[in-house]
Amino acid sequence: KAGVTQTPRYLIKTRGQQVTLSCSPISGHRSVSWYQQTPGQGLQFLFEYFSETQRNKGNFPGRFSGRQFSNSRSEMNVSTLELGDSALYLCASSFSGILDNEQFFGPGTRLTVL
Amino acid sequence: LAKTTQPISMDSYEGQEVNITCSHNNIATNDYITWYQQFPSQGPRFIIQGYKTKVTNEVASLFIPADRKSSTLSLPRVSLSDTAVYYCLVGDIAARGSARQLTFGSGTQLTVLP
Repeated sequence: KAGVTQTPRYLIKTRGQQVTLSCSPISGHRSVSWYQQTPGQGLQFLFEYFSETQRNKGNFPGRFSGRQFSNSRSEMNVSTLELGDSALYLCASSFSGILDNEQFFGPGTRLTVL
Repeated sequence: LAKTTQPISMDSYEGQEVNITCSHNNIATNDYITWYQQFPSQGPRFIIQGYKTKVTNEVASLFIPADRKSSTLSLPRVSLSDTAVYYCLVGDIAARGSARQLTFGSGTQLTVLP
């Protein structure tokens, strides 16, 4: 079956702009979670959506937001981009949640903020 | 909040057993320990998860002492394709809510040499 897909794979934006990233989970998975990965801070949890509701949220500012649609596809939005937002943004999907042993990650979207 | 510490890098030779230890001194009662493998330009991949004692699956074993302040991922007979970054993650599977801090380790770069 198809894996987790993320679009776009690469993105270049300038400071102050906003960006929307998309994640399509594995068919049947209702949990979609988002992570930020940077060389300095490592892998950090952003938030999780389950059945269109945000169920868990990490310690990120309100500029980072997301949503989930009825087909479980999810989008993440970052407003007023800062240079420090340059990172690999990963999404993962599973049946039950963020620490599910059947959680699968997508390849990520590489965001560069200039 | 369970802060995790891992060695930055390890080298091994093909066919050897590799043990990577993660320290998590402040692990909470309900926290589970999960290990992921990540190759360049890919999202992390689940390896193994456990709560206490020993867990084994087809690719690895996870050893957790009684005090649960550390855990050791054991990879038997590594091959060149096991060269990757390995992360430990400590978190409560069932917890829900805001400001959830899923604590990923900084990752251990394992290099398997021929």
